[in-house]
Amino acid sequence: EAGVTQFPSHSVIEKGQTVTLRCDPISGHDNLYWYRRVMGKEIKFLLHFVKESKQDESGMPNNRFLAERTGGTYSTLKVQPAELEDSGVYFCASSQDIRGEQFFGPGTRLTVL
Amino acid sequence: AQRVTQPEKLLSVFKGAPVELKCNYSYSGSPELFWYVQYSRQRLQLLLRHISRESIKGFTADLNKGETSFHLKKPFAQEEDSAMYYCALYTGGFKTIFGAGTRLFVKA
Repeated sequence: EAGVTQFPSHSVIEKGQTVTLRCDPISGHDNLYWYRRVMGKEIKFLLHFVKESKQDESGMPNNRFLAERTGGTYSTLKVQPAELEDSGVYFCASSQDIRGEQFFGPGTRLTVL
Repeated sequence: AQRVTQPEKLLSVFKGAPVELKCNYSYSGSPELFWYVQYSRQRLQLLLRHISRESIKGFTADLNKGETSFHLKKPFAQEEDSAMYYCALYTGGFKTIFGAGTRLFVKA
């Protein structure tokens, strides 16, 4: 079992461009979470899927961010257009139960120039 | 407001010394608290949760509802404990709130 995987590991883009991050959760995990860590700050919740349904997207910064989980398997997080303040590490996590241990991916480091 | 506060960004102790990483939370309901750890070049992973009352790698944490705290303690720090530690609060909905993290550095 590879665990939660994320692609790419790093992405450097210019302001105004579009970037799509991908997360593959552990097989069988219905719960999928996206988080972001901006340098020196807390790991901030972005949103939570149960299967293909968004249950809580209260942490999404604005409408430049779009998350999808078609078919309830992998998820994508698209940022369009990217701004400088979007730079950070984006983590994905999955869990079997909503109250259970979350298993994290290695993160995608996004740099917007 | 729901919030997790870790007041120390960096904690440096000598090997064999006791260590306490502080965590305070703000939540009006019944909290579920966790400690996650990220070792160098590894993923964030669960260390322990208050409901299981376990001791993992010699670490313990007790939920103090009166003081709204969930401090992480270890009586004798080891060099391999050096890592980034995050306190997290599950609020009963679909969201987990993390603190800003404390970097623990254990000196030889």
